[in-house]
Amino acid sequence: KNQVEQSPQSLIILEGKNCTLQCNYTVSPFSNLRWYKQDTGRGPVSLTIMTFSENTKSNGRYTATLDADTKQSSLHITASQLSDSASYICVAQGGNNRLAFGKGNQVVVIP
Amino acid sequence: KAGVTQTPRYLIKTRGQQVTLSCSPISGHRSVSWYQQTPGQGLQFLFEYFSETQRNKGNFPGRFSGRQFSNSRSEMNVSTLELGDSALYLCASSLGLAGEQFFGPGTRLTVL
Repeated sequence: KNQVEQSPQSLIILEGKNCTLQCNYTVSPFSNLRWYKQDTGRGPVSLTIMTFSENTKSNGRYTATLDADTKQSSLHITASQLSDSASYICVAQGGNNRLAFGKGNQVVVIP
Repeated sequence: KAGVTQTPRYLIKTRGQQVTLSCSPISGHRSVSWYQQTPGQGLQFLFEYFSETQRNKGNFPGRFSGRQFSNSRSEMNVSTLELGDSALYLCASSLGLAGEQFFGPGTRLTVL
């Protein structure tokens, strides 16, 4: 079983609308939770990194939340733009430095 | 500061051949990790090198190997290529183990 599960697998949203992506993890012990954005044909780019003591972190129109008790994280995209069309990957790092990757949320923003 | 570079960007090989991919990390970064990415499986960890030593290894067969040089540049090699090896191979560098990772653009390998 994958240690990081993301939902929804894919979604289509209208430009200007908000959306929220979900990530559930089972990594234990837990060190930090990362969100990456990956444009088609490119390598992932880091959006946020949160340790267990942080429950929210923003990067422009991207806001990540973390609930270490329920082992859940979310990534909220505000006022979506066409350039937000990408795959968003959730990554949980364990105490042994191992990284567990989700399969990604595929977001398509349409005008 | 230049980002992570990977060469070549695209590669086409036939079954049974072997291939070597190269990764140059961000200057000052000493850790290099390699990943395989396929549409169905997402990112799969191959191995991580730090100070020329393999520190972590994923669940891939022995056909996949790597090394790191004294300047932190890294190579990975895949021998006896199979059709299923077709994927995007990504390299990521970080200052040290468990650090924030910066990914390269990847090498798209197609095995015919």
